[in-house]
Amino acid sequence: GAGVSQSPRYKVAKRGQDVALRCDPISGHVSLFWYQQALGQGPEFLTYFQNEAQLDKSGLPSDRFFAERPEGSVSTLKIQRTQQEDSAVYLCASSLGRAEQYFGPGTRLTVT
Amino acid sequence: DAKTTQPPSMDCAEGRAANLPCNHSTISGNEYVYWYRQIHSQGPQYIIHGLKNNETNEMASLIITEDRKSSTLILPHATLRDTAVYYCIVPRPENYGQNFVFGPGTRLSVLP
Repeated sequence: GAGVSQSPRYKVAKRGQDVALRCDPISGHVSLFWYQQALGQGPEFLTYFQNEAQLDKSGLPSDRFFAERPEGSVSTLKIQRTQQEDSAVYLCASSLGRAEQYFGPGTRLTVT
Repeated sequence: DAKTTQPPSMDCAEGRAANLPCNHSTISGNEYVYWYRQIHSQGPQYIIHGLKNNETNEMASLIITEDRKSSTLILPHATLRDTAVYYCIVPRPENYGQNFVFGPGTRLSVLP
């Protein structure tokens, strides 16, 4: 079956623009996670959904970051008024409840 | 998360076994040990996980010491495609999102 997919794979935004990053989890996976990975570092947790409920958003770095999963499947991570420090790879992962997480290929965001 | 400590880098000759150590001396009795790897420009890939018994799958073996304070991931016959950063993770079971905390990992280089 298909794995986790993310789009776009690459995004270049001018500082101040809004961006939306999409994640399609593995079908049937209840849990969905977003991570941010800076160059040369490990992924860092941003937020977690169980079905459509956002149960943990403690990792979101500012109120410019917003995530949603309205129907409990596809999720979107939105970043408003992008800043240069937002440049990173954004990873999405899904899992069957409290089990191993399966990651997508990530979206590389470059803010110029 | 139980803090994990891994060597920053290791080399391994192609065809030989790669043994990647991880210390997790503060692990609790109900916390699992997970291993992931991240090949350049890809999302992290689940390898294996275990609680107290040794585990083996088609990718690797996981050896956990009896006191559970350390573990070793074994790739029995390393290939050039196993060159990656390997992460040892001990998620908090009480964490609602079971978010994984990725440290810097071990950068494994498989040499021809």
